[in-house]
Amino acid sequence: ETGVTQSPTHLIKTRGQQVTLRCSSQSGHNTVSWYQQALGQGPQFIFQYYREEENGRGNFPPRFSGLQFPNYSSELNVNALELDDSALYLCASSLNPPGQFYGYTFGSGTRLTVV
Amino acid sequence: GENVEQHPSTLSVQEGDSAVIKCTYSDSASNYFPWYKQELGKGPQLIIDIRSNVGEKKDQRIAVTLNKTAKHFSLHITETQPEDSAVYFCAATRIQGGKLIFGQGTELSVKP
Repeated sequence: ETGVTQSPTHLIKTRGQQVTLRCSSQSGHNTVSWYQQALGQGPQFIFQYYREEENGRGNFPPRFSGLQFPNYSSELNVNALELDDSALYLCASSLNPPGQFYGYTFGSGTRLTVV
Repeated sequence: GENVEQHPSTLSVQEGDSAVIKCTYSDSASNYFPWYKQELGKGPQLIIDIRSNVGEKKDQRIAVTLNKTAKHFSLHITETQPEDSAVYFCAATRIQGGKLIFGQGTELSVKP
């Protein structure tokens, strides 16, 4: 079992709407990243949060935003949805004590369809 | 920019044969190289990883090799089984940077 839980599993939205995706990180993991995976492609980095602060962002427009909460759960918000936003959205968490690194654990993702 | 190239895009082998997937990365500062297996409807699952201070790592039927000079790393699966059928992704990152750069994926099919 992955230990990273994402909700909902599937979602259909209309172009122009807003969506919020949620991620519950593995216990104790202080870092969460979000990725977008289009059909047939590798995941693309959206952004990363460490201790509730964004500390890295990929090549995505500002209408993609996020939050990390004190319990290390996280949200991905997308405004003004476009058809090209249709993809699998993945959350990945990791435990990174200072000076150490233990890899990333991915959730099963949320399949977003924009019509 | 940072890039990871992965080959082949599809690979079909007979059960019991070996499978090899190759990746090349562009960022010479990358120092962590994980491999993920993704089954239909699921998220990527880490199967093995290697850090830049090691040239080879093995875990049962799975091994990864790293050539830092050539910026090249490979996944080797021996004695393949039908349950190994999935899409495999390589990735590269700087541990201190946190952003995984993924390859395009290899769809492995193991025929009984």
